[in-house]
Amino acid sequence: RKEVEQDPGPFNVPEGATVAFNCTYSNSASQSFFWYRQDCRKEPKLLMSVYSSGNEDGRFTAQLNRASQYISLLIRDSKLSDSATYLCVVKGGSGNTGKLIFGQGTTLQVKP
Amino acid sequence: DAGVTQSPTHLIKTRGQQVTLRCSPKSGHDTVSWYQQALGQGPQFIFQYYEEEERQRGNFPDRFSGHQFPNYSSELNVNALLLGDSALYLCASSQGLRETQYFGPGTRLLVL
Repeated sequence: RKEVEQDPGPFNVPEGATVAFNCTYSNSASQSFFWYRQDCRKEPKLLMSVYSSGNEDGRFTAQLNRASQYISLLIRDSKLSDSATYLCVVKGGSGNTGKLIFGQGTTLQVKP
Repeated sequence: DAGVTQSPTHLIKTRGQQVTLRCSPKSGHDTVSWYQQALGQGPQFIFQYYEEEERQRGNFPDRFSGHQFPNYSSELNVNALLLGDSALYLCASSQGLRETQYFGPGTRLLVL
């Protein structure tokens, strides 16, 4: 079983749509959670950290459910520029200092 | 303020050869982590360097080795290259072992 699991998609949505991505993680001792965005042939860039209380950054909302070991990302009013791969990332746990554990990534294609 | 830089950007090698990839961290960062990203997959953690020592290692064979210099820059060495080593190699730097990691543009390695 992978440590972080995501549906690879692709998700094809029209501009203006709301889209949600989910991921699950296996290590209950994980301490930090993130969503990274990766454009084609580019490096991953931090989109947002994820907290149990939920956090919002403009059109993006992230949520963590520790009991279910489940992380989500909601994108509202999708833009063409949101087309990218979204990587669910987990960090921390026993004996783990700074290792980032990535999911496979979910591909989003926003169409006009 | 320069971000994380990596060299070379692209590299072609043949099976059995050795390769050295280089990374300069973001200004003020003292920790460097290396990741391997195969096509269609999320990045996989190779190892992390802090204070010129390997602090944590992922599930990679001994053919993968590294070094960190006093100026915090780092090298990744891969010996006896295999076709399966073809990937994007990403370097990430942070200010401490547990802080946010920022990625460089990566080195694309093709092994023929």
